[in-house]
Amino acid sequence: DQQVKQNSPSLSVQEGRISILNCDYTNSMFDYFLWYKKYPAEGPTFLISISSIKDKNEDGRFTVFLNKSAKHLSLHIVPSQPGDSAVYFCAASWTDKLIFGTGTRLQVFP
Amino acid sequence: EAQVTQNPRYLITVTGKKLTVTCSQNMNHEYMSWYRQDPGLGLRQIYYSMNVEVTDKGDVPEGYKVSRKEKRNFPLILESPSPNQTSLYFCASSLEAGGVQETQYFGPGTRLLVL
Repeated sequence: DQQVKQNSPSLSVQEGRISILNCDYTNSMFDYFLWYKKYPAEGPTFLISISSIKDKNEDGRFTVFLNKSAKHLSLHIVPSQPGDSAVYFCAASWTDKLIFGTGTRLQVFP
Repeated sequence: EAQVTQNPRYLITVTGKKLTVTCSQNMNHEYMSWYRQDPGLGLRQIYYSMNVEVTDKGDVPEGYKVSRKEKRNFPLILESPSPNQTSLYFCASSLEAGGVQETQYFGPGTRLLVL
């Protein structure tokens, strides 16, 4: 039973446009959400997070939106750059548990 | 340089031959964790440790053991590896014992093939 789902395995976006990566979860007990980025042959690196008491968190080109009623999380990257091409994992936590999604491969082309 | 290191990076072994994957961090982090990444399944937590001598099971602990005798090291032990443990393994650490809600720093990964 996948509690955190990223239904789009891949996404292709033109440089300069907006990238929107989506994540859905089923457990209403999750109270903290994170996004990690992973390049090939490297470990994931932390990107941005959001607490369940907020609905938006922004860090430069990256913004995470949380819709608790829909149990939906999204990551917006504006403007997208070729260096953003990577696999993006969303993750949700509750107490000491952290559940990752399956990942979305983002490709930003010129 | 602050980092999490894993060794070996690549390993091919045979069913039943005990192996250990080492993990070490130089950031004086309290929390350490092991994950495995499999196609279509994302990252799944195997074991974690809130502090020295404190370990607990994650979502997929079967077939694995860990120990945390000192703060910087958190080895992953496969006593009798089986082919279904073929995977990409990541060690991670974070500053606070809160662990999962802190930024985790991941090692570069260990790719394991069990024949």
